[in-house]
Amino acid sequence: DAGVIQSPRHEVTEMGQEVTLRCKPISGHDYLFWYRQTMMRGLELLIYFNNNVPIDDSGMPEDRFSAKMPNASFSTLKIQPSEPRDSAVYFCASSLGPGARGYTFGSGTRLTVV
Amino acid sequence: ELKVEQNPLFLSMQEGKNYTIYCNYSTTSDRLYWYRQDPGKSLESLFVLLSNGAVKQEGRLMASLDTKARLSTLHITAAVHDLSATYFCAFAGGTSYGKLTFGQGTILTVHP
Repeated sequence: DAGVIQSPRHEVTEMGQEVTLRCKPISGHDYLFWYRQTMMRGLELLIYFNNNVPIDDSGMPEDRFSAKMPNASFSTLKIQPSEPRDSAVYFCASSLGPGARGYTFGSGTRLTVV
Repeated sequence: ELKVEQNPLFLSMQEGKNYTIYCNYSTTSDRLYWYRQDPGKSLESLFVLLSNGAVKQEGRLMASLDTKARLSTLHITAAVHDLSATYFCAFAGGTSYGKLTFGQGTILTVHP
């Protein structure tokens, strides 16, 4: 298994532009998570899905952020418009669910908004 | 609000020494996880602790869980430089089974 695959690995964009981050979870995993990591705030859960349905989006910072999971093998996190304070590493993770023995993280997308 | 607190946040050790990282959490947990993160890298799963009294060991690292005290520990034995990394504990449970809540992380530096 290739693990959780995220793209792009690095993204540099100008303030005000739309940014789309992509994630392919491990096949068969029915939970998908989007986390954001910054020095100041650590690892924060933004949103998670179960069977493609958003379960908890209370961590999404504001309306500029949106996430979708159109099918079991693909999810996107979109920021529109982007701002410099959105600069962070965004991780996607997947798991088998409550009885899961582990959550597998992708390599992350390092986003820089200038 | 679910909270996970690690201490210490920074740990500088000499090679060959032993030390323990502590992780306290604020509510009932079904599962406690330990992760390692190297600079600029993703999170690597180290241990999953599923029940009170659980103890797991891998090499120089040993993790334990005391659900009554809401405490997990990560013990480092005879540290080596390769263990230098940031270590996170995280728990899942309470009303959000699928949600992992992370501690702040402990930055471990092992010196010769």
